[in-house]
Amino acid sequence: DQQVKQNSPSLSVQEGRISILNCDYTNSMFDYFLWYKKYPAEGPTFLISISSIKDKNEDGRFTVFLNKSAKHLSLHIVPSQPGDSAVYFCAAAFLYKYIFGTGTRLKVLA
Amino acid sequence: EPEVTQTPSHQVTQMGQEVILRCVPISNHLYFYWYRQILGQKVEFLVSFYNNEISEKSEIFDDQFSVERPDGSNFTLKIRSTKLEDSAMYFCASSRLAGGYTGELFFGEGSRLTVL
Repeated sequence: DQQVKQNSPSLSVQEGRISILNCDYTNSMFDYFLWYKKYPAEGPTFLISISSIKDKNEDGRFTVFLNKSAKHLSLHIVPSQPGDSAVYFCAAAFLYKYIFGTGTRLKVLA
Repeated sequence: EPEVTQTPSHQVTQMGQEVILRCVPISNHLYFYWYRQILGQKVEFLVSFYNNEISEKSEIFDDQFSVERPDGSNFTLKIRSTKLEDSAMYFCASSRLAGGYTGELFFGEGSRLTVL
């Protein structure tokens, strides 16, 4: 039962360009969405979030877009930097429960 | 900056042994979670805990698993009789409020469990 899906397991982007990571969800009860960055052998680090009442939230180089009708969210990183190379997880939340996607490995090429 | 801390960072155990993983959540947080990640796979929800009781648990969280908050600061995950397939990174997390509000979930660095 994959309620949260990240269909691209990996993505490579040139330094300075835009990285776009995508996430789809199936449960319309989710009302809060988050993106996390994870390095090997470390815990996920919170990046940015968005409530279901918004369609965009921006924090520096990171912007999250939410399309509720399509049950789709995306994370834009502009400009991409080599230090952004990591696995990115989206998560969807409702009440106590946070469900994570399978992750997208981003590689930013110098 | 407040953080979630977990111990041990790595534990190796024999199949059938009991394991306790410990976590100290962020002090003003009220909701506590355990997640696990088998190598290369997704981060899977195990259990959530609020007001000294389990709020929700996944199918993975069977009778071999238990959680408790013995002293108001520590939050523990116990696996009674470990199996090979319990080998994973176990992440503790905490949040102030549930999803839908300011529901950022903060994770610890993880405890790697290796069952031989």
